[in-house]
Amino acid sequence: DAGVIQSPRHEVTEMGQEVTLRCKPISGHNSLFWYRQTMMRGLELLIYFNNNVPIDDSGMPEDRFSAKMPNASFSTLKIQPSEPRDSAVYFCASSIGADYGYTFGSGTRLTVV
Amino acid sequence: GQQLNQSPQSMFIQEGEDVSMNCTSSSIFNTWLWYKQEPGEGPVLLIALYKAGELTSNGRLTAQFGITRKDSFLNISASIPSDVGIYFCAGRTTDSWGKLQFGAGTQVVVTP
Repeated sequence: DAGVIQSPRHEVTEMGQEVTLRCKPISGHNSLFWYRQTMMRGLELLIYFNNNVPIDDSGMPEDRFSAKMPNASFSTLKIQPSEPRDSAVYFCASSIGADYGYTFGSGTRLTVV
Repeated sequence: GQQLNQSPQSMFIQEGEDVSMNCTSSSIFNTWLWYKQEPGEGPVLLIALYKAGELTSNGRLTAQFGITRKDSFLNISASIPSDVGIYFCAGRTTDSWGKLQFGAGTQVVVTP
């Protein structure tokens, strides 16, 4: 299994631009999570999907952030418009069920200048 | 915000020494997990604990689920240079709908 696949690995964009991060979970995993990691705040859960349905998006910072999961093998996290304070590493993780450990992707390092 | 307190924040140890770190929670957890993160990568699951009092080993790593269900520890025996990284505890409560809370991490540096 290739694990959780995220793209791009690095993204540098100008403030105000739209950014789309992509994630392919492990086949057969029915839960998907988007996390943001910064030095100041550590790992923060942004949104959680179960069977492609958003269960909890209370961690999404504001309306500029949106996430979709159109099918079991693909999810996107979009930031529009992006701001410098959005700079962070964004991780996608999946699990076989809500009660199991997560498998993380390698992350997308986002820099907004 | 985070309800997990992970300590120590960092550790500088010599190769061959044992390492111990722990996490405490203000809530009762039904799952404790320990992850390791290396530079440029995502966290990797090391050990999962699902029962109070459970003691589980994975090679030189040993972790325990505290009997109060509010704490867990991770020990690394006979450290080697490749143990370098950030170790995170994570846990979930019964009403968390599968969401994990993460500790702030313990950075481990191993010197030869």
